[in-house]
Amino acid sequence: AQTVTQSQPEMSVQEAETVTLSCTYDTSESDYYLFWYKQPPSRQMILVIRQEAYKQQNATENRFSVNFQKAAKSFSLKISDSQLGDAAMYFCAYFGNEKLTFGTGTRLTIIP
Amino acid sequence: GAVVSQHPSWVICKSGTSVKIECRSLDFQATTMFWYRQFPKQSLMLMATSNEGSKATYEQGVEKDKFLINHASLTLSTLTVTSAHPEDSSFYICSAREDRGINSPLHFGNGTRLTVT
Repeated sequence: AQTVTQSQPEMSVQEAETVTLSCTYDTSESDYYLFWYKQPPSRQMILVIRQEAYKQQNATENRFSVNFQKAAKSFSLKISDSQLGDAAMYFCAYFGNEKLTFGTGTRLTIIP
Repeated sequence: GAVVSQHPSWVICKSGTSVKIECRSLDFQATTMFWYRQFPKQSLMLMATSNEGSKATYEQGVEKDKFLINHASLTLSTLTVTSAHPEDSSFYICSAREDRGINSPLHFGNGTRLTVT
């Protein structure tokens, strides 16, 4: 079974600074997708960014970018120029074998 | 963009009663829907996968007789919590995708907060 590990239960960052959230996963598959989801207090799941495993280039979406290391099975999220609205739970997720598996989450706090 | 509507957004019921939660895809046909459960301050745990017209596939440890899932049409899946108990109180989230295959995006509902008294 696939597992997703987020080793940082909580992180905090000063507004306008950069923060990196860590994620590792375990799989024997070669074709899969990786995601970062944001869950604000409303509990709505918001897709932040996604990465196809076959692509070597790291995905970017405005202030959000990933560092995808396939051999190391690592998928970290970097948030640049942090904003107060970025405060939320962030979940790393693995999609393969027709299932989406979530990590345990990282609570991100933005310090004004 | 694709929208998944989940209803109700919250429900309070008495112990021993059953509760039905609906998950609808509003502008696409969902061949596959997933049901997740989230305890406070915890991650989303996959409960089951439902495909239209066939029986749901439950994850290990999920009681299929307790959590009845029906995917009768391409736009609707329902989760019924039967004989609910206080320990069933949780946040339930559905997600839907248009077709099988790794390239098809997932769309999430807004979730249902169930409280069993």
